[in-house]
Amino acid sequence: ILNVEQSPQSLHVQEGDSTNFTCSFPSSNFYALHWYRWETAKSPEALFVMTLNGDEKKKGRISATLNTKEGYSYLYIKGSQPEDSATYLCASPMEYGNKLVFGAGTILRVKS
Amino acid sequence: DAGVIQSPRHEVTEMGQEVTLRCKPISGHNSLFWYRQTMMRGLELLIYFNNNVPIDDSGMPEDRFSAKMPNASFSTLKIQPSEPRDSAVYFCASSLLAGVLRETQYFGPGTRLLVL
Repeated sequence: ILNVEQSPQSLHVQEGDSTNFTCSFPSSNFYALHWYRWETAKSPEALFVMTLNGDEKKKGRISATLNTKEGYSYLYIKGSQPEDSATYLCASPMEYGNKLVFGAGTILRVKS
Repeated sequence: DAGVIQSPRHEVTEMGQEVTLRCKPISGHNSLFWYRQTMMRGLELLIYFNNNVPIDDSGMPEDRFSAKMPNASFSTLKIQPSEPRDSAVYFCASSLLAGVLRETQYFGPGTRLLVL
């Protein structure tokens, strides 16, 4: 059974701080790793889909890295802003179809 | 593009009543997913369709839940009879290509269901 774990569960930072959190997943039979951003009272929004070991993707102040051999991905936010406050989810597909298994998420709160 | 459309956005009903949730995927998308979000279990997949065909319904909690996709632009999730423990936010999502593991899923706004 695929198990996607995220840490920490929650994070409180000050505006301007840089932060990062982790997604770990089984490294065998890796297909892809998805990151989603989920704001309160809204729906999850795709950030990145990562497929290659060593991949690094960037979107504005948010970036992510991938290590498929050891089974982890890091999400970094540089210079956090209050609007970055959200739950960040990672997910990995099961090996058939495109059934995603989601982690429990990291809740980020940025104080101004 | 309007994105994934779900209705109703909020539903309050009494235990024992039938509830029908509706979803319109993004035009041209070939996969559709129904998720449920609860505090206890997080975001969990209930069922998904590829090209209107149900592929995996192992996440459907019990026989009270059923889902259909009669055509490429419409799907329903039905709960009959509803119970208080069904109270949750139900999301529908769609992706462009069927059976591809690297496809981004686009989520609808969700239906917040409360069963009294």
